[in-house]
Amino acid sequence: QQQVKQSPQSLIVQKGGISIINCAYENTAFDYFPWYQQFPGKGPALLIAIRPDVSEKKEGRFTISFNKSAKQFSLHIMDSQPGDSATYFCAASRINSGSARQLTFGSGTQLTVLP
Amino acid sequence: KAGVTQTPRYLIKTRGQQVTLSCSPISGHRSVSWYQQTPGQGLQFLFEYFSETQRNKGNFPGRFSGRQFSNSRSEMNVSTLELGDSALYLCASSLRQVSYNEQFFGPGTRLTVL
Repeated sequence: QQQVKQSPQSLIVQKGGISIINCAYENTAFDYFPWYQQFPGKGPALLIAIRPDVSEKKEGRFTISFNKSAKQFSLHIMDSQPGDSATYFCAASRINSGSARQLTFGSGTQLTVLP
Repeated sequence: KAGVTQTPRYLIKTRGQQVTLSCSPISGHRSVSWYQQTPGQGLQFLFEYFSETQRNKGNFPGRFSGRQFSNSRSEMNVSTLELGDSALYLCASSLRQVSYNEQFFGPGTRLTVL
Protein backbone atom coordinates (compact mmCIF):
# COMPACT_ATOMS: atom_id res chain seq x y z
CA GLN A 1 0.00 0.00 0.00
CA GLN A 2 2.93 2.35 0.62
CA GLN A 3 4.92 1.53 -2.47
CA VAL A 4 5.54 3.70 -5.45
CA LYS A 5 6.83 1.68 -8.38
CA GLN A 6 9.08 3.44 -10.87
CA SER A 7 10.38 2.39 -14.27
CA PRO A 8 12.68 2.15 -16.06
CA GLN A 9 15.65 1.77 -13.75
CA SER A 10 17.90 3.39 -16.34
CA LEU A 11 17.29 5.31 -19.52
CA ILE A 12 19.59 6.47 -22.29
CA VAL A 13 18.37 9.00 -24.82
CA GLN A 14 19.95 11.10 -27.51
CA LYS A 15 20.20 14.86 -27.18
CA GLY A 16 16.96 16.41 -28.35
CA GLY A 17 14.94 13.28 -27.68
CA ILE A 18 12.06 12.72 -25.26
CA SER A 19 12.71 11.03 -21.92
CA ILE A 20 9.76 9.29 -20.30
CA ILE A 21 9.74 7.91 -16.76
CA ASN A 22 6.73 6.13 -15.34
CA CYS A 23 5.42 5.61 -11.82
CA ALA A 24 2.49 3.76 -10.31
CA TYR A 25 1.00 3.76 -6.83
CA GLU A 26 -1.58 1.79 -4.87
CA ASN A 27 -2.56 3.92 -1.90
CA THR A 28 -5.40 6.26 -2.82
CA ALA A 29 -4.56 8.41 0.20
CA PHE A 30 -1.66 9.91 -1.75
CA ASP A 31 -2.67 13.43 -2.77
CA TYR A 32 0.50 15.12 -4.01
CA PHE A 33 2.98 13.78 -6.52
CA PRO A 34 6.37 15.48 -6.83
CA TRP A 35 9.33 14.57 -8.99
CA TYR A 36 12.85 15.08 -7.72
CA GLN A 37 16.11 15.40 -9.64
CA GLN A 38 19.38 14.35 -8.05
CA PHE A 39 22.87 15.02 -9.34
CA PRO A 40 25.88 13.09 -7.98
CA GLY A 41 27.01 14.42 -4.62
CA LYS A 42 23.84 16.46 -4.15
CA GLY A 43 20.57 15.95 -2.38
CA PRO A 44 17.36 15.57 -4.40
CA ALA A 45 15.78 18.81 -5.60
CA LEU A 46 12.13 19.32 -6.46
CA LEU A 47 11.64 19.46 -10.22
CA ILE A 48 7.89 19.62 -10.70
CA ALA A 49 4.83 18.43 -8.78
CA ILE A 50 1.17 17.74 -9.45
CA ARG A 51 -2.04 17.28 -7.47
CA PRO A 52 -4.56 14.62 -8.56
CA ASP A 53 -7.21 17.15 -9.53
CA VAL A 54 -5.35 17.90 -12.77
CA SER A 55 -4.25 15.52 -15.51
CA GLU A 56 -1.20 17.39 -16.73
CA LYS A 57 1.25 20.01 -15.58
CA LYS A 58 3.95 21.56 -17.70
CA GLU A 59 6.93 23.61 -16.64
CA GLY A 60 9.31 24.41 -19.44
CA ARG A 61 10.58 21.17 -20.95
CA PHE A 62 9.19 19.09 -18.08
CA THR A 63 5.64 17.71 -18.07
CA ILE A 64 3.84 15.48 -15.60
CA SER A 65 0.97 13.39 -16.92
CA PHE A 66 -1.37 12.02 -14.27
CA ASN A 67 -3.97 9.28 -14.64
CA LYS A 68 -5.96 9.08 -11.42
CA SER A 69 -8.10 6.10 -12.41
CA ALA A 70 -5.06 4.05 -13.37
CA LYS A 71 -3.08 5.36 -10.39
CA GLN A 72 -0.18 6.17 -12.66
CA PHE A 73 1.85 9.27 -13.40
CA SER A 74 4.78 9.99 -15.63
CA LEU A 75 7.47 12.55 -16.27
CA HIS A 76 8.21 13.65 -19.82
CA ILE A 77 11.38 15.59 -20.57
CA MET A 78 11.18 17.18 -23.98
CA ASP A 79 14.26 18.14 -25.98
CA SER A 80 16.47 16.27 -23.50
CA GLN A 81 19.89 17.81 -22.90
CA PRO A 82 23.14 16.34 -21.56
CA GLY A 83 22.68 18.58 -18.51
CA ASP A 84 19.51 16.63 -17.71
CA SER A 85 21.63 13.56 -16.99
CA ALA A 86 20.78 12.77 -13.38
CA THR A 87 18.74 10.41 -11.24
CA TYR A 88 15.04 11.11 -11.18
CA PHE A 89 12.74 10.06 -8.37
CA CYS A 90 9.00 10.12 -8.40
CA ALA A 91 7.31 10.44 -5.05
CA ALA A 92 3.87 10.38 -3.54
CA SER A 93 2.81 12.31 -0.49
CA ARG A 94 0.03 11.82 2.04
CA ILE A 95 -0.94 12.83 5.54
CA ASN A 96 0.31 10.07 7.81
CA SER A 97 -1.00 8.77 11.13
CA GLY A 98 0.98 11.44 12.95
CA SER A 99 -0.89 14.18 11.05
CA ALA A 100 2.28 14.96 9.15
CA ARG A 101 2.92 14.98 5.43
CA GLN A 102 5.12 12.06 4.43
CA LEU A 103 6.86 11.32 1.13
CA THR A 104 7.22 7.84 -0.32
CA PHE A 105 9.80 7.64 -3.09
CA GLY A 106 10.08 5.50 -6.17
CA SER A 107 13.29 3.55 -6.73
CA GLY A 108 14.80 6.12 -9.10
CA THR A 109 15.72 6.29 -12.79
CA GLN A 110 19.25 6.98 -13.93
CA LEU A 111 18.90 9.16 -17.04
CA THR A 112 21.81 9.59 -19.42
CA VAL A 113 21.44 12.01 -22.31
CA LEU A 114 24.05 11.45 -25.00
CA PRO A 115 25.48 14.52 -26.77
CA LYS B 1 18.87 32.27 2.13
CA ALA B 2 21.18 29.43 3.11
CA GLY B 3 20.07 25.95 2.19
CA VAL B 4 19.88 22.87 4.37
CA THR B 5 23.28 22.04 5.79
CA GLN B 6 24.42 18.67 7.02
CA THR B 7 27.54 17.82 8.96
CA PRO B 8 29.76 16.01 8.60
CA ARG B 9 29.65 15.33 4.85
CA TYR B 10 31.62 12.12 5.11
CA LEU B 11 32.09 9.72 7.97
CA ILE B 12 33.87 6.41 8.37
CA LYS B 13 33.06 4.22 11.34
CA THR B 14 33.57 0.61 12.34
CA ARG B 15 30.94 -1.94 13.28
CA GLY B 16 29.62 -1.54 16.80
CA GLN B 17 30.37 2.15 17.04
CA GLN B 18 27.74 4.84 17.21
CA VAL B 19 27.41 7.97 15.13
CA THR B 20 25.60 11.31 15.34
CA LEU B 21 24.68 13.29 12.26
CA SER B 22 23.57 16.91 12.29
CA CYS B 23 21.15 18.86 10.15
CA SER B 24 20.46 22.60 10.11
CA PRO B 25 17.24 23.41 8.26
CA ILE B 26 16.53 26.47 6.20
CA SER B 27 15.83 29.45 8.44
CA GLY B 28 12.16 29.49 9.37
CA HIS B 29 11.56 25.85 8.52
CA ARG B 30 10.22 23.89 11.47
CA SER B 31 9.78 20.45 9.95
CA VAL B 32 12.81 18.22 9.48
CA SER B 33 12.74 14.77 7.93
CA TRP B 34 15.51 12.21 7.65
CA TYR B 35 15.97 9.68 4.85
CA GLN B 36 18.40 6.86 4.18
CA GLN B 37 19.51 6.43 0.58
CA THR B 38 21.16 3.22 -0.62
CA PRO B 39 21.60 1.78 -4.12
CA GLY B 40 19.51 -1.25 -3.24
CA GLN B 41 16.67 0.30 -1.23
CA GLY B 42 16.52 3.79 -2.69
CA LEU B 43 15.24 6.62 -0.50
CA GLN B 44 13.64 5.39 2.69
CA PHE B 45 11.96 7.56 5.29
CA LEU B 46 13.51 7.41 8.75
CA PHE B 47 11.59 9.93 10.84
CA GLU B 48 10.20 13.44 10.90
CA TYR B 49 10.35 16.11 13.56
CA PHE B 50 8.21 19.17 14.02
CA SER B 51 8.41 21.54 16.96
CA GLU B 52 10.86 19.25 18.76
CA THR B 53 8.47 16.29 18.55
CA GLN B 54 8.85 13.18 16.46
CA ARG B 55 5.69 13.05 14.36
CA ASN B 56 6.33 9.87 12.47
CA LYS B 57 8.87 7.11 12.18
CA GLY B 58 9.70 4.80 9.31
CA ASN B 59 10.35 1.11 9.47
CA PHE B 60 13.83 1.15 10.97
CA PRO B 61 15.16 -0.54 14.12
CA GLY B 62 15.41 1.28 17.41
CA ARG B 63 19.14 1.78 16.84
CA PHE B 64 18.10 4.74 14.72
CA SER B 65 16.96 7.71 16.76
CA GLY B 66 16.78 11.43 16.45
CA ARG B 67 15.87 14.65 18.11
CA GLN B 68 15.10 18.23 17.27
CA PHE B 69 16.15 21.30 19.19
CA SER B 70 14.24 24.50 19.84
CA ASN B 71 16.03 26.22 16.95
CA SER B 72 14.75 23.42 14.63
CA ARG B 73 18.20 21.92 14.17
CA SER B 74 18.06 18.16 14.23
CA GLU B 75 20.37 15.30 14.97
CA MET B 76 20.07 11.63 14.22
CA ASN B 77 21.95 8.92 16.01
CA VAL B 78 22.72 5.39 14.98
CA SER B 79 23.99 3.07 17.68
CA THR B 80 25.76 -0.27 17.32
CA LEU B 81 26.57 0.32 13.68
CA GLU B 82 26.23 -2.52 11.19
CA LEU B 83 27.76 -2.86 7.74
CA GLY B 84 24.31 -2.42 6.22
CA ASP B 85 24.03 1.05 7.73
CA SER B 86 26.46 2.34 5.12
CA ALA B 87 24.41 4.85 3.18
CA LEU B 88 23.81 8.46 2.30
CA TYR B 89 21.73 10.05 5.04
CA LEU B 90 19.65 12.94 3.83
CA CYS B 91 17.91 15.60 5.80
CA ALA B 92 15.05 17.64 4.38
CA SER B 93 13.30 20.66 5.79
CA SER B 94 10.00 22.31 5.04
CA LEU B 95 7.97 25.22 6.33
CA ARG B 96 5.05 23.37 7.79
CA GLN B 97 4.10 19.87 8.57
CA VAL B 98 0.86 19.34 6.70
CA SER B 99 0.91 21.70 3.76
CA TYR B 100 2.21 20.91 0.31
CA ASN B 101 5.31 22.96 1.01
CA GLU B 102 8.33 21.66 -0.80
CA GLN B 103 10.85 19.60 1.10
CA PHE B 104 14.34 21.00 0.61
CA PHE B 105 17.10 18.43 0.86
CA GLY B 106 20.60 18.88 2.15
CA PRO B 107 23.62 17.34 0.40
CA GLY B 108 23.64 14.41 2.78
CA THR B 109 26.16 12.70 5.01
CA ARG B 110 27.92 9.73 3.44
CA LEU B 111 28.39 7.12 6.18
CA THR B 112 30.69 4.19 5.57
CA VAL B 113 30.75 1.38 8.12
CA LEU B 114 33.79 -0.89 7.99
